[in-house]
Amino acid sequence: DIQMTQSPPVLSASVGDRVTLSCKASQNINKNLDWYQQKHGEAPKLLIYYTNNLQTGIPSRFSGSGSGTDYTLTISSLQPEDVATYYCYQYNSGLTFGSGTKLEIK
Amino acid sequence: QVQLEESGPGLMQPSETLSLTCTVSGFSLTSNGVGWVRQPLGKGLVWMGTIWAGGSTNYNSAVQSRLSISRDTSKSQVFLKMNSLQPEDTGTYYCARHDDYYYDGTYYDYFDYWGQGVMVTVSS
Repeated sequence: DIQMTQSPPVLSASVGDRVTLSCKASQNINKNLDWYQQKHGEAPKLLIYYTNNLQTGIPSRFSGSGSGTDYTLTISSLQPEDVATYYCYQYNSGLTFGSGTKLEIK
Repeated sequence: QVQLEESGPGLMQPSETLSLTCTVSGFSLTSNGVGWVRQPLGKGLVWMGTIWAGGSTNYNSAVQSRLSISRDTSKSQVFLKMNSLQPEDTGTYYCARHDDYYYDGTYYDYFDYWGQGVMVTVSS
């Protein structure tokens, strides 16, 4: 089974900061990776699909990149409403969520 | 519009069998797959299994021996059954719609709509 490791587990940043969240796969996943945002008490929401495609209605400050085993989610200018836990998800072989990164405001 | 709604018992005893229903609207189960995702309290998301549009299923190897997912397309319902429940099965269970397709030689798969989740507690 493919393992997905996200880092850091917790990230604290200031409003307006550029923030980068990382997701590393245990083997090449060929860009078959999505990103989800889960706010407290809510169901997850799709942000990015196939590494770098922004889901309809998601603000353009969110972007994704990566290839092979290493992927990143970037928020260009952190907003208070971005406080959430972020999960990567691979579908290259089986289906696996990452361990999550909890994003907080300083 | 697309909607998914989970339903089922909130409290289960260890060793019992959990039965959850996901009732969908706004799309056909023969056009999109539906997956089940579990979230233990305070922890991360775990994909449990999926029933695809064609009716085939895939399961997480960690629960495969205990889990069964089926559907009734006429009622737009997807069912999860998991036996031999243990306290570690406690958590929120979500169903979510797969949007999976090929486009220009690339395969896409993502969960684009989610239910609100149902909390299941396994305790004696």
